[in-house]
Amino acid sequence: DIVLTQSPGTLSLSPGESATLSCRASQSVSSGYLAWYRQKPGQAPRLVMYGTSSRATGIPDRFSGSGSGTDFTLTISRLEPEDFAVYYCQQYGSSPPLTFGGGTKVEIK
Amino acid sequence: QVQLEESGGGVVQPGRSLRLSCGASGFPFSAYAMNWVRQAPGKGLEWVTVISSDGSDNSYSDSVKGRFTISRDNSKSTLYLQMNSLRPDDTGVYYCARGGRGLRGHFDYWGQGTLVTVSS
Repeated sequence: DIVLTQSPGTLSLSPGESATLSCRASQSVSSGYLAWYRQKPGQAPRLVMYGTSSRATGIPDRFSGSGSGTDFTLTISRLEPEDFAVYYCQQYGSSPPLTFGGGTKVEIK
Repeated sequence: QVQLEESGGGVVQPGRSLRLSCGASGFPFSAYAMNWVRQAPGKGLEWVTVISSDGSDNSYSDSVKGRFTISRDNSKSTLYLQMNSLRPDDTGVYYCARGGRGLRGHFDYWGQGTLVTVSS
């Protein structure tokens, strides 16, 4: 099974700053099938990015994804209040289990 | 618009059973794989199980294999999760999520979740 490790655990930033979130896989993620989800307190997760770099419906272009193989990055530029949340990466390139990373919390500094 | 609504959660004693349902609307339910994902209190997301669009194939996480059964009724646009031999570490919010055309796929729509508490 592929294990996903996210770093850092917490990012403390101010609105307007940029956030860089990392997701490292224990083995190569096939075809770049890596997704990112955002979860706000008390809410269900919401898809942010899929296929490494494709933004989900309604996600602004302040969000960008990159990476390949075992190293992937989600970058959020010009942080806005709604961006402060927990972000999870997930791989879906190999047969199930479709594993999630442990999450990165982006909090207001 | 796409909507997923879970139901059936509650408080149950260890060793007992519970069945969750997920009603879907706003899309051709029979065209998509469906998943269950859970989240223990204060913890991260854990994928639980997936079922193919026609119900002929499925897969489970090791933590629930042999105890949980996923199924679907495409005529009713409903997904199910039969949970047997429940344990305290099964406690959490259970989400249904729409997958792709096969067993592998990102989850583009999620329900709001239903809380399952396993406690004596």
